[in-house]
Amino acid sequence: ETGVTQSPTHLIKTRGQQVTLRCSSQSGHNTVSWYQQALGQGPQFIFQYYREEENGRGNFPPRFSGLQFPNYSSELNVNALELDDSALYLCASSDGPATGELFFGEGSRLTVL
Amino acid sequence: SQQGEEDPQALSIQEGENATMNCSYKTSINNLQWYRQNSGRGLVHLILIRSNEREKHSGRLRVTLDTSKKSSSLLITASRAADTASYFCATDGIYNQGGKLIFGQGTELSVKP
Repeated sequence: ETGVTQSPTHLIKTRGQQVTLRCSSQSGHNTVSWYQQALGQGPQFIFQYYREEENGRGNFPPRFSGLQFPNYSSELNVNALELDDSALYLCASSDGPATGELFFGEGSRLTVL
Repeated sequence: SQQGEEDPQALSIQEGENATMNCSYKTSINNLQWYRQNSGRGLVHLILIRSNEREKHSGRLRVTLDTSKKSSSLLITASRAADTASYFCATDGIYNQGGKLIFGQGTELSVKP
């Protein structure tokens, strides 16, 4: 198991609501990346945070936002939830922003009704 | 959009047999990685192969990379029931913005005892 922890593990929201997902990175890692994985699909890159700054962003609308804290933990916020936001949200930490090995948490499964 | 396309989408074999999964991608890469995912859980890094490498081994895993064909294969030898999982290739494209790995849709491997 990696040292990456995510919370909550499961949650159910309704359309229009807002959600915050949390991630604690592995000890010694200063970079956190977030991915969305729809059922039966591969993960899709949302964004990456490196030293508290957004370091890259995938093709997701602005209602997907994030933060990284001085201890390198991170939050993913999604506003105005839509049904298609139902997915497994994966956080991955790494030692630096270069795309080497990623250490994934177990994910937060979001269901939007 | 997803760059890595895996083939086959699903594979069912008996314990002891070898399993081969293929991945094709579209643009030039810095490296290609393979990850494993047990049902609905986080991804686990298996192996990373750089663009200037052609073959790499790790235990029962063998990965090849052909940059001229933009393809990679993952071979699992002497498979075990515990190898049952989904396997994803992920590419770090040379034009990718920071931290972005592009994942394929995965191969679902079932190893029957």
